[in-house]
Amino acid sequence: GAGVSQTPSNKVTEKGKYVELRCDPISGHTALYWYRQSLGQGPEFLIYFQGTGAADDSGLPNDRFFAVRPEGSVSTLKIQRTERGDSAVYLCASSSLGLGEETQYFGPGTRLLVL
Amino acid sequence: QQQVKQSPQSLIVQKGGISIINCAYENTAFDYFPWYQQFPGKGPALLIAIRPDVSEKKEGRFTISFNKSAKQFSLHIMDSQPGDSATYFCAASIPGNQFYFGTGTSLTVIP
Repeated sequence: GAGVSQTPSNKVTEKGKYVELRCDPISGHTALYWYRQSLGQGPEFLIYFQGTGAADDSGLPNDRFFAVRPEGSVSTLKIQRTERGDSAVYLCASSSLGLGEETQYFGPGTRLLVL
Repeated sequence: QQQVKQSPQSLIVQKGGISIINCAYENTAFDYFPWYQQFPGKGPALLIAIRPDVSEKKEGRFTISFNKSAKQFSLHIMDSQPGDSATYFCAASIPGNQFYFGTGTSLTVIP
């Protein structure tokens, strides 16, 4: 497909467990963003990758959250010792970041529920 | 601190009417202002976007009005249709950086 894909679409886990959320950006897009969206709210920024490196991780709420993008394409958001407050939709977006191409294209999200 | 303030929180419009959603920002470094449409269970999808060098942009039934001096911008949906019922988010960004989203407006268009 041509769009951003995210897996799994839904994840239910127990408090204290570890989870990994995967994002496949649009082919050729160098920039990748992770956002978190709580019910009834707008997406909130978590981390931004330019290529393989995290250009801005100021939105990560604490050190339980970590993300990687080892080959500059697929990214994985990792959450350790999950808490009930981590329950949200985790959105991934990608952008080509060429001149006039700031638009971020979003995936469908992963709905995380921590019991 | 909310970087982009959006209103109203919810909006009900008759079919054929005009839907208007407003956003305001403070950071004058923002220079890209997109609007996203989100249906339940889906990710946000770009609807229309504007840069501060123009005061208005129209695409089909959707128009963005931009007031740089007032640091405000709005989305107008003309001839609103039931299929437009969704949540709309405004956003603002500095090039190559994160998007700051508004809190969203839930639009319901009644037949």
